[in-house]
Amino acid sequence: NAGVTQTPKFRVLKTGQSMTLLCAQDMNHEYMYWYRQDPGMGLRLIHYSVGEGTTAKGEVPDGYNVSRLKKQNFLLGLESAAPSQTSVYFCASSRMGVEAFFGQGTRLTVV
Amino acid sequence: AQSVTQLDSHVSVSEGTPVLLRCNYSSSYSPSLFWYVQHPNKGLQLLLKYTSAATLVKGINGFEAEFKKSETSFHLTKPSAHMSDAAEYFCVVISLDRPPGNNRKLIWGLGTSLAVNP
Repeated sequence: NAGVTQTPKFRVLKTGQSMTLLCAQDMNHEYMYWYRQDPGMGLRLIHYSVGEGTTAKGEVPDGYNVSRLKKQNFLLGLESAAPSQTSVYFCASSRMGVEAFFGQGTRLTVV
Repeated sequence: AQSVTQLDSHVSVSEGTPVLLRCNYSSSYSPSLFWYVQHPNKGLQLLLKYTSAATLVKGINGFEAEFKKSETSFHLTKPSAHMSDAAEYFCVVISLDRPPGNNRKLIWGLGTSLAVNP
């Protein structure tokens, strides 16, 4: 049972490049989330999804897009990366919005 | 609206002494509350949760927390700190009284960094 798996684990991007972070969960959870974690700022919600085919904005959605075409996958896209998007990104899933299970994180550096 | 305040950004204890990490919450509805732990360069792991059952909740690694509605608090405690407890701890609140949507987002505190000295 893998739980929540994020790929890639590390990435370095140049300003203006695009990329997609993949999150996969095998627990049949309805809810999935993308967070970013920055020093001194805790976890901030980027986007979330309450089911297949649905997405919603969180606290800091600008510069990111998401898609939930399959229940088990939640993709986070950066269309044109900026240095301000240097962060550690965490994906999580939960059953009906209760306790969340997290992936191991993706460390992204934009230079 | 829900909110969480972790009263200490950094706590330092000696090994073998008690740990107290403080969390106050604000919720218009019956809250569910969680404590998560994050070890350096690792993901987040659920320590314990309160979901309207017993007010004293026991979690993993000897941690426990008590839900006090009158004080709107959910402080995390451990009788005796171990070196391996050094980590970042997050208090989280969620409301379960509404349908799926905005009110089911997890609301995170800013974290408390726990240092354990030998």
